Amino acid sequence: LAKTTQPISMDSYEGQEVNITCSHNNIATNDYITWYQQFPSQGPRFIIQGYKTKVTNEVASLFIPADRKSSTLSLPRVSLSDTAVYYCLVGATGNQFYFGTGTSLTVIP
Amino acid sequence: DGGITQSPKYLFRKEGQNVTLSCEQNLNHDAMYWYRQDPGQGLRLIYYSQIVNDFQKGDIAEGYSVSREKKESFPLTVTSAQKNPTAFYLCASSGGTTQGRITYEQYFGPGTRLTVT
Repeated sequence: LAKTTQPISMDSYEGQEVNITCSHNNIATNDYITWYQQFPSQGPRFIIQGYKTKVTNEVASLFIPADRKSSTLSLPRVSLSDTAVYYCLVGATGNQFYFGTGTSLTVIP
Repeated sequence: DGGITQSPKYLFRKEGQNVTLSCEQNLNHDAMYWYRQDPGQGLRLIYYSQIVNDFQKGDIAEGYSVSREKKESFPLTVTSAQKNPTAFYLCASSGGTTQGRITYEQYFGPGTRLTVT
């Protein structure tokens, strides 16, 4: 069955760009890749979604290589308020879907 | 004001009692989901429903039950058979497809923190 893998934690200084990668070897052909942000004791919040190549919105960019077996969430110029856990979510064959293990990002002043 | 509501925010129960967590959405979404989150852990899928009167087990369905009698509502019952019910429970909904592709752009509720003693 498809699983997703992310780094457990990352640290970054304020103002730097942060890239978080998710590996998803068995992603289904027609499924999107979606990323979420979660603060403590809150529900996850949608950040960005993409199918292939690059997607950009007002808060992040998502890079997806041609084989779609991984994806990279890029947060430009992070601030202290970006300290959170970030999850990727992908679909797999058989109508299954999987949240990643989550990456805890700590932004340092 | 569209969204997902979960109630209550905090819930306390004695061991051996069943308890039902409420989840309502007014986003007109077909799919709804229940997740469990333990401290410092990721989300684990309990049950999901893609259409009214139909639902499927997720990874950790044992000790839980759900119903989907209305599109807007997807209540979760934590039964006495659930060995470790204390956790943070999250409900979500999604539209299902976008441009012919399956999207998992899920909208989450604020969560219910259940404590069983």
